[in-house]
Amino acid sequence: EAGVAQSPRYKIIEKRQSVAFWCNPISGHATLYWYQQILGQGPKLLIQFQNNGVVDDSQLPKDRFSAERLKGVDSTLKIQPAKLEDSAVYLCASSPSFGTGPNYGYTFGSGTRLTVV
Amino acid sequence: RKEVEQDPGPFNVPEGATVAFNCTYSNSASQSFFWYRQDCRKEPKLLMSVYSSGNEDGRFTAQLNRASQYISLLIRDSKLSDSATYLCVVNPGRYKLSFGAGTTVTVRA
Repeated sequence: EAGVAQSPRYKIIEKRQSVAFWCNPISGHATLYWYQQILGQGPKLLIQFQNNGVVDDSQLPKDRFSAERLKGVDSTLKIQPAKLEDSAVYLCASSPSFGTGPNYGYTFGSGTRLTVV
Repeated sequence: RKEVEQDPGPFNVPEGATVAFNCTYSNSASQSFFWYRQDCRKEPKLLMSVYSSGNEDGRFTAQLNRASQYISLLIRDSKLSDSATYLCVVNPGRYKLSFGAGTTVTVRA
């Protein structure tokens, strides 16, 4: 079974520039998550989609971050404009259905490492 | 107060030693609990779930104390390959997973 695909693996941008990350979940997984993991911290949920609808975006800094999952499959996370404190690894995860936890196929992608200079 | 707190370590132990560490969680209504392993520059991967009665998976033993709101992980007969960051993960309800900042374990030859 193919895993969660993310691209790019690495990105370096200057502050105030924009950047976009892409995630393709495991085939058939209805739920998709974007996490931000700052160095030395655990992953923090930014946004959760169920199919193409947003379930939770309470921790998404909406003044600069946006995300979409238009067809309920792959997803894009955008930052515009980027700040130095956005330097982090952005992890995408997917699970088969709403509310399923790690016991039931919840899988992370390998992440995109963003450096803002 | 953070939802999940862990001792960051590092725990530096020789091969063959036993190492144990805890995490505490703030939401008493939390429903399920997990330990994840994260290698340097890799994504987190599920190590094991934590059940109320305690559970083992090979050299790994997890315990849950709901009254005191903490979870523990014990690693017996440590291997070099056990060197990693161990993330404590709590489901406080519904779909959400809350991650601790991780405990770093380094096993030396």
